[in-house]
Amino acid sequence: GEDVEQSLFLSVREGDSSVINCTYTDSSSTYLYWYKQEPGAGLQLLTYIFSNMDMKQDQRLTVLLNKKDKHLSLRIADTQTGDSAIYFCAERGGNSGYSTLTFGKGTMLLVSP
Amino acid sequence: DTEVTQTPKHLVMGMTNKKSLKCEQHMGHRAMYWYKQKAKKPPELMFVYSYEKLSINESVPSRFSPECPNSSLLNLHLHALQPEDSALYLCASSQESQGAGGANVLTFGAGSRLTVL
Repeated sequence: GEDVEQSLFLSVREGDSSVINCTYTDSSSTYLYWYKQEPGAGLQLLTYIFSNMDMKQDQRLTVLLNKKDKHLSLRIADTQTGDSAIYFCAERGGNSGYSTLTFGKGTMLLVSP
Repeated sequence: DTEVTQTPKHLVMGMTNKKSLKCEQHMGHRAMYWYKQKAKKPPELMFVYSYEKLSINESVPSRFSPECPNSSLLNLHLHALQPEDSALYLCASSQESQGAGGANVLTFGAGSRLTVL
């Protein structure tokens, strides 16, 4: 079955770069996503990458995909205290018109001043 | 309007109560989802509606009953719940694509936090 693994915790200082890693098992995944969840809130889409790409950049966010190793990372440049949250990696499986996402357990990012 | 609105934000109910969670979107999305999220855990898929028809039921107990009255609304009817059903219930919606060709990004609501006493 599908499985998505993430490290559980990352602590950085404000202004540093953060790198959150994720591995997945489903080689048929078409899209991979990064969501952010602040305490008591829903999930906010940060970015996504199609499986035939190896990199996507969006302002402070850079996503790297190594399809051979099934490894996905999210780099946040110039990390701010407002970036403190839980970050979920998710893969889209299936071949239907809607999305069935499998989420990783989430990485808690703590940014200290 | 690019939001998914969920009501109520908080709900406390007894095990014999009947209550409903509501979700609304006006983005023209034809797929709608219910997820359950326990504390410090990832969201788990419960139901998927596609074009107002139930497409996926992830073996959810019958005390949870989904309903999709139209393309903008999704309800989750709750009856005879257990304390272990206390969780954050997230609604999401997405466009439909032809097969797996589109990103079909899910837009999530803020959630309804349910406490069962």
